[in-house]
Order: sequence, then structure tokens, then C-alpha cells
Amino acid sequence: EVQLVESGGGLVKPGGSLRLSCAASGLTFTNTWMTWVRQAPGKGLEWVGRIKRKIDGETVDYAAPVKGRFTISRDDSKNMLYLQMNSLKTEDTAVYYCSTDLMEFWGQGTLVTVSS
Amino acid sequence: DIQLTQSPSFLSASVGDRVTITCRASQGISSYLAWFQQKPGRAPNLLIYDASTMHSGVPSRFSGSGSGTEFTLTISSLQPEDFATYYCQQLNSYPRTFGQGTKVEIK
Repeated sequence: EVQLVESGGGLVKPGGSLRLSCAASGLTFTNTWMTWVRQAPGKGLEWVGRIKRKIDGETVDYAAPVKGRFTISRDDSKNMLYLQMNSLKTEDTAVYYCSTDLMEFWGQGTLVTVSS
Repeated sequence: DIQLTQSPSFLSASVGDRVTITCRASQGISSYLAWFQQKPGRAPNLLIYDASTMHSGVPSRFSGSGSGTEFTLTISSLQPEDFATYYCQQLNSYPRTFGQGTKVEIK
């Protein structure tokens, strides 16, 4: 059974930083492109970014609102996906989900609240 | 970026009704479209990919069609567990944009 479990969410002040983690199991993580998606309270889904697998160069693409502030990385030895979020803004407040790139599997989400 | 516009944004229907949701893309995306169902407080669930291919375990009352710029999700006979919000997403290019969602509520 595939499981994706996010952690690391919480309350942070504007301008602050936070690192989210996603622990993957039940799939060949090394061969899987991974994605982050977020959802602001009461709003729709927003694609954040995607990281390819190592043999594809671990290339990362980002959505415009987070480019230059967020960094997606992975550690295949630990089956872990990360989202480093810097220079956080109030509009980054959302539930953050990790998913496989084709989005057939999702985590339960972790809430990030950016507020003073 | 490719914009996806869903219609309607809100839909009120009864159990047993046939329901159709439309997703229009701002430019052609071939058949690179997926549909998701999301219930409150839960992660989205993939229903359909490649515009018309049902994901494993999805009930056969769900179907998708379309290509290019216009796509539809049809629920042939709405069931109580189908009341949820539905999203389309394009996988033609990055950023992988979503539609704004269609909320299906009980009439």
C-alpha cells in the first residue's frame, strides 16, 4: 500500500521559513516524480512544483508565486521529499499536500499558517 | 500558463440525476487532462486521467470525454457519496494548472 505522510507544518511569521517533509512508502520512490500541491482555506487546488527522479536529472519546476522562495528536494536513500519555504507570505497559508506526479497517490496534508 | 475554466462552479442535484461538468482550456492540451474528487477535510482523489481513462477502483458511473480545449466529466447517476467538489487539471505543460472547482451539492 502506498503511503505519503507529510510533516513540518505550523505557524510561522511573515518573512519566516519552514521545511515540510513527505515520507513515502509502498512505492519505488527512486523511480517516481513527485509533486507538491497546496490549498488555501476555502479555496481551490494550486500546483506548487514538481521534482523529477535522479536519472532524469532531478529537474524541478515551480509555480510562479513560489519561484525563488521555495525549493523542492528529495533524498532517495530515505524515501523523503522536502519543500523548503523561505520568505513566507500570508498568502502562502494553506494545506500542503505531497503527491506522486500523476497524482494517483496523495498524502493527508499539513497545514502551514503564515501570520503575525 | 494554461487557464482552465470549469462550469458550473456550483451545482445542485438530486440522487439519481445525471450530472455533467465542463472544463475548458485556454489552449489545446490534447488529452492531457485529469479529474479529481475532493471531500471536505480530505485529500483529492484521482478519478480520470488522459481525459477518459478511469483510475483504478473508480465506479463506472464516472466517465470523462473530450480533447483539445473542451472536456466533460459525467456522473451517470449521482449517488450520496458523490456530493463533493470536482477539479480538472491539465498535464500538457508546466505549471500544471487546476480548474477553480465545481461543488456538487444535494438539492
